[in-house]
Amino acid sequence: GNSVTQMEGPVTLSEEAFLTINCTYTATGYPSLFWYVQYPGEGLQLLLKATKADDKGSNKGFEATYRKETTSFHLEKGSVQVSDSAVYFCALNSGNTPLVFGKGTRLSVIA
Amino acid sequence: NAGVTQTPKFRILKIGQSMTLQCTQDMNHNYMYWYRQDPGMGLKLIYYSVGAGITDKGEVPNGYNVSRSTTEDFPLRLELAAPSQTSVYFCASSPLAYSYEQYFGPGTRLTVT
Repeated sequence: GNSVTQMEGPVTLSEEAFLTINCTYTATGYPSLFWYVQYPGEGLQLLLKATKADDKGSNKGFEATYRKETTSFHLEKGSVQVSDSAVYFCALNSGNTPLVFGKGTRLSVIA
Repeated sequence: NAGVTQTPKFRILKIGQSMTLQCTQDMNHNYMYWYRQDPGMGLKLIYYSVGAGITDKGEVPNGYNVSRSTTEDFPLRLELAAPSQTSVYFCASSPLAYSYEQYFGPGTRLTVT
């Protein structure tokens, strides 16, 4: 079945540091890949997505590239801000199947 | 535009009690979903619906029931609450099939003691 594995947290960074959150997946067919973000006290919201191999999703300074050869979709940001503190979820779906989420990675950015 | 709304925000139940978590969306989305989020465990799909009158089980449906009488509403019913149902519950909707963005409500934090 489909599954997503993302790096364990929490991750603590200083402001302006470089961020990488690793995500790898197992899926049948040709999955679409997503990163969702959950700010404190709120529901999840879509951060970025990629629907085919080599696509790069980007939003709010975050980027992730769909790598079929390594089955990965790592999230990166060049310079994090305190306001980026949140929980980040990698997710996928394949065909007519519901989203499958990773366990989430908590990011804390300190000034 | 309210998006997806959920009520209540918080609730404490005693073991064996029942309750309904309400979910409403005003985006005319056909697809709606209920998830539970346990600490450190990500989200697990409880039930989903592809349109009014049509529902189906997700990964963890036991102990829950749903109905979908209108496009807008997708209530989740807990019968005979158990401590294992202590969790944060999220409702979500999407306009088309699963590959499209899902819009989440703010969640309901439920404690069963």
